[in-house]
Amino acid sequence: QQQVKQSPQSLIVQKGGISIINCAYENTAFDYFPWYQQFPGKGPALLIAIRPDVSEKKEGRFTISFNKSAKQFSLHIMDSQPGDSATYFCAASRRNYQLIWGAGTKLIIKP
Amino acid sequence: GAGVSQSPRYKVAKRGQDVALRCDPISGHVSLFWYQQALGQGPEFLTYFQNEAQLDKSGLPSDRFFAERPEGSVSTLKIQRTQQEDSAVYLCASSFVTSGAAGSTEQFFGPGTRLTVL
Repeated sequence: QQQVKQSPQSLIVQKGGISIINCAYENTAFDYFPWYQQFPGKGPALLIAIRPDVSEKKEGRFTISFNKSAKQFSLHIMDSQPGDSATYFCAASRRNYQLIWGAGTKLIIKP
Repeated sequence: GAGVSQSPRYKVAKRGQDVALRCDPISGHVSLFWYQQALGQGPEFLTYFQNEAQLDKSGLPSDRFFAERPEGSVSTLKIQRTQQEDSAVYLCASSFVTSGAAGSTEQFFGPGTRLTVL
């Protein structure tokens, strides 16, 4: 019930394309769903986050789509750039507590 | 700087040695988390502090792992008699709000300490 499943494990996208990463969760008590970006040798940094009372949140080129009934959420990166190449993690938590993480997606943007 | 800092950044230990990893959270942050990140995996929760109180240590993998935050600021994760399976990146994160509270829930992460046990 605590798991967060993330796919794909790796993704290669052409520059300018749309990158899509998907996550599914089981615990309906989760109330916070962040996406973190991690570069090699660095700690994770928050990219964008959503709460289950909205179905979509957009910040610049990054959009989270949230489907509460399906218990799924996804990250869309529009106009993907080489600088977006990193590992992306979805996560979930309940009331500011420990984050439960997906396994990560290694994204490579080809110039 | 204003971010979470961790030291050392890299630590190599011989099997059986004790190690101590330090975390300096963002000033004023009440909550502090330790996570363990194995190579190619997502972080996994180890323990949680609210100020100086360790409210949850359910993620600590064995009694060789010990964490403290005596003055509610700096935290130390200690691993006794290190084993090869302890090799990982240890991440520290801090948050302004307490567990159970409403409001911003972003956890700010440090760069991590990469521990290699030979």
